[in-house]
Amino acid sequence: GQNIDQPTEMTATEGAIVQINCTYQTSGFNGLFWYQQHAGEAPTFLSYNVLDGLEEKGRFSSFLSRSKGYSYLLLKELQMKDSASYLCAVLDSNYQLIWGAGTKLIIKP
Amino acid sequence: IAGITQAPTSQILAAGRRMTLRCTQDMRHNAMYWYRQDLGLGLRLIHYSNTAGTTGKGEVPDGYSVSRANTDDFPLTLASAVPSQTSVYFCASSEGLAGDTQYFGPGTRLTVL
Repeated sequence: GQNIDQPTEMTATEGAIVQINCTYQTSGFNGLFWYQQHAGEAPTFLSYNVLDGLEEKGRFSSFLSRSKGYSYLLLKELQMKDSASYLCAVLDSNYQLIWGAGTKLIIKP
Repeated sequence: IAGITQAPTSQILAAGRRMTLRCTQDMRHNAMYWYRQDLGLGLRLIHYSNTAGTTGKGEVPDGYSVSRANTDDFPLTLASAVPSQTSVYFCASSEGLAGDTQYFGPGTRLTVL
């Protein structure tokens, strides 16, 4: 079956750096997405990786290793507004997104 | 309108009743999707549409139907609601399929009693 694993919850301190990991086993791979979802709101797009390596976008970076079935989202200079759930999703061979359950990130002052 | 709108925002429904969740986008996107989100689970695809006039089944289609009469609208119908359909429903759209970012509506919180 298809599976996306990410930690259920993480806690970090304002101003620090946090890395959220995602491992996947899917039928085919056509890219990996990270989305942010604040409580009670819709998911919003953060990043897309289809090739191995690091993609940097401001305070957020996303890394992909296709051979290891692994990705991480790196958040730097954490702010209180970064408290949210972070969703990892893989585009499978049928071009359907398979979603992880999400990682709830709690930022403490 | 800017982006995707969904209606209603929330609804409490008696089991056995018929319900249609509405979704409209103004971005002229070809592809549209319906997901449900339940606590502790990832978003699960119910139905999708690659373009107006076509629809397809996702991971959890049973008990749901969709139509895509035009580019902008993609309603989701529960023919006879059951308590297990209590969930938050998100509509999304993308320009196409391959690697295109999906943009989500604000969601509909549905409770079936």
